[in-house]
Amino acid sequence: GEDVEQSLFLSVREGDSSVINCTYTDSSSTYLYWYKQEPGAGLQLLTYIFSNMDMKQDQRLTVLLNKKDKHLSLRIADTQTGDSAIYFCAESIRGNTPLVFGKGTRLSVIA
Amino acid sequence: DGGITQSPKYLFRKEGQNVTLSCEQNLNHDAMYWYRQDPGQGLRLIYYSQIVNDFQKGDIAEGYSVSREKKESFPLTVTSAQKNPTAFYLCASSPGDRETQYFGPGTRLLVL
Repeated sequence: GEDVEQSLFLSVREGDSSVINCTYTDSSSTYLYWYKQEPGAGLQLLTYIFSNMDMKQDQRLTVLLNKKDKHLSLRIADTQTGDSAIYFCAESIRGNTPLVFGKGTRLSVIA
Repeated sequence: DGGITQSPKYLFRKEGQNVTLSCEQNLNHDAMYWYRQDPGQGLRLIYYSQIVNDFQKGDIAEGYSVSREKKESFPLTVTSAQKNPTAFYLCASSPGDRETQYFGPGTRLLVL
């Protein structure tokens, strides 16, 4: 099937690193995405990685891609209370179809 | 400012009533999408359009209708046939299909 799987909840202490994990299904995915959704708002594109890359870093965000295991992760360094949100993983699959989204991981940051 | 706008922010529907949610983009994107999000749930695709005057059903199209008469606009009508319409509705657009999607701020629909 075309499922993108994520754990539903993650809780971390302020200042620690957060790691949000995602597994996807299509080995021919070209791009994989991370979106952030704050309460009552739309989704905000955080970062994306092309499938021929293993890692991408953007300030406090690090994306790791393991194509063999179809595993994607998002690491947030020095997590702040403002990082509390739902994080969605998404993949682009073959054919003329839209992105496939995971159900989202709710990150709670404890001060 | 370029972006995607959705209106209204909150919408109330009475029993048996059709309501229309607006989505407009000035990003010159070809593709547009409608998603439904229920509390604690992920996104479910209702309809999408890859080009003007054409659209396809998503996973939960029953009880909804759309039109795409202009590139900038993709309104969603929630019909009386949708028996459980209370949800958060998100519109998105992308330069082309399978490409990065950009989201509007959402419309929350409530049933009176």
